[in-house]
Amino acid sequence: QLQLQESGPGLVKPSETLSLSCTVSGGSISSSSHYWGWIRQPPGKGLEWIGSMFYSGSTSYNPSLESRVTISVDTSTNNLSLRLNSVTAADTAVYYCARHMGGLVRGVLYMDVWGQGTTVTVSS
Amino acid sequence: AIRMTQSPSSFSASTGDRVTITCRASQDISGYLAWYQQKPGKAPKLLIYAASTLQNGVPSRFSGSGSGTDFTLTISCLQSEDFATYYCQQYYSYSPLTFGGGTEVEI
Repeated sequence: QLQLQESGPGLVKPSETLSLSCTVSGGSISSSSHYWGWIRQPPGKGLEWIGSMFYSGSTSYNPSLESRVTISVDTSTNNLSLRLNSVTAADTAVYYCARHMGGLVRGVLYMDVWGQGTTVTVSS
Repeated sequence: AIRMTQSPSSFSASTGDRVTITCRASQDISGYLAWYQQKPGKAPKLLIYAASTLQNGVPSRFSGSGSGTDFTLTISCLQSEDFATYYCQQYYSYSPLTFGGGTEVEI
């Protein structure tokens, strides 16, 4: 059974870089039918897609965050990473990693497996 | 970006009720729509994709319909475990993928 588990600091200072990791178990991140990505949810608000990556390196980012975001995949450790630069209080949210259905031909589709989420607070 | 608008934003219902949630896209997205259920403190769960295809393991009381710009999620006989927030998501364009604002189904 595929499982995703996020990890990383729960508190980040303004202007610094948020770094999260997602460990994929029970399946391979080197799948030709899936992208792997991140979604966030500010407290009491809705869902915002951050971006996703195919194991071979193809990435797709939300234009609203693209200048500050880097998503990477490590196929040797089956890990997915998120870096978000120059954070502000507006980046406070629960961050989810998720497997996205899709592929290089079909593109990025919907999310069929989610991690439990990790809360990140941006505060000095 | 394609804007997804859900209605209502919240409503009250009782177990056994038939409920319908609406999602409207700002442009034609064909059938490239998914529905998710989220309970408090939990990650979203995929219910439906391709507007009407039930994800494995999802009870048959859930159904989806629609195409183009207008979509609905229907729960035929509301159960206690169905009280949650529901989100639609378009994947016609992944620049960016976008979600509706959510519909909270309350007791």
